[in-house]
Amino acid sequence: QMQLVQSGAEVKKPGSSVKVSCQASGDIFSGDAISWVRQAPGQGLEWMGSFIPLFGSSNYAQRFQDRVTFTADKSTNTGYMELSSLTSDDTAVYYCARRRNYGDFASWGQGTLVTVSP
Amino acid sequence: QSVLAQPPSASGTPGQRITISCSGSTSNIGRNFVFWYQQLPGTAPKLLIYRNDQRPSGVPDRFSGSKSGTSASLAISGLRSEDEADYYCATWDDDLRGDVFGSGTSLTVL
Repeated sequence: QMQLVQSGAEVKKPGSSVKVSCQASGDIFSGDAISWVRQAPGQGLEWMGSFIPLFGSSNYAQRFQDRVTFTADKSTNTGYMELSSLTSDDTAVYYCARRRNYGDFASWGQGTLVTVSP
Repeated sequence: QSVLAQPPSASGTPGQRITISCSGSTSNIGRNFVFWYQQLPGTAPKLLIYRNDQRPSGVPDRFSGSKSGTSASLAISGLRSEDEADYYCATWDDDLRGDVFGSGTSLTVL
């Protein structure tokens, strides 16, 4: 079972960007996708998009299309999610997850809390 | 507003059987696999059911999933205190061309 370890908590100013990392214990360039899901305080899960490192292809949720970028580094088996133009509404825990071809999120990172505050 | 509707809460007593529903449409549940996730307080979600009714290794057979038409259900039998958690259904939506989650159900074991 692939383990995913995410970077630590971040505090950001409105209008700035944040980049969260997700290091995998196995090869993320095998064909599976790395997906990003966020959870605002007291709220449900929200899918942000998925990235297939093997093909370098991304599928972003409509509402994040213009300000999110997914990348990956093969040398360290690490995926990245960068979100720009932050507002207080972006305060949330951000999770990475391994998405299998079945469509399920089989493994999850521990989550990264991003707080946007003046 | 989620495209998959779940009851916000559910409850049961130890040993009881409960079900959690997930209602969607032809563009999502109607044409795609349904998955269920369990999120214990303060932790990351965990895959509970995949491909409508399959359990990953390590998930007790007290948990079962089913799908019919544009709805799906998660059943938990022999309810235990450690089952107290939030439960989310999820699937792919062909119209949105993305993954979608249900609104989540908070289960209380009385």
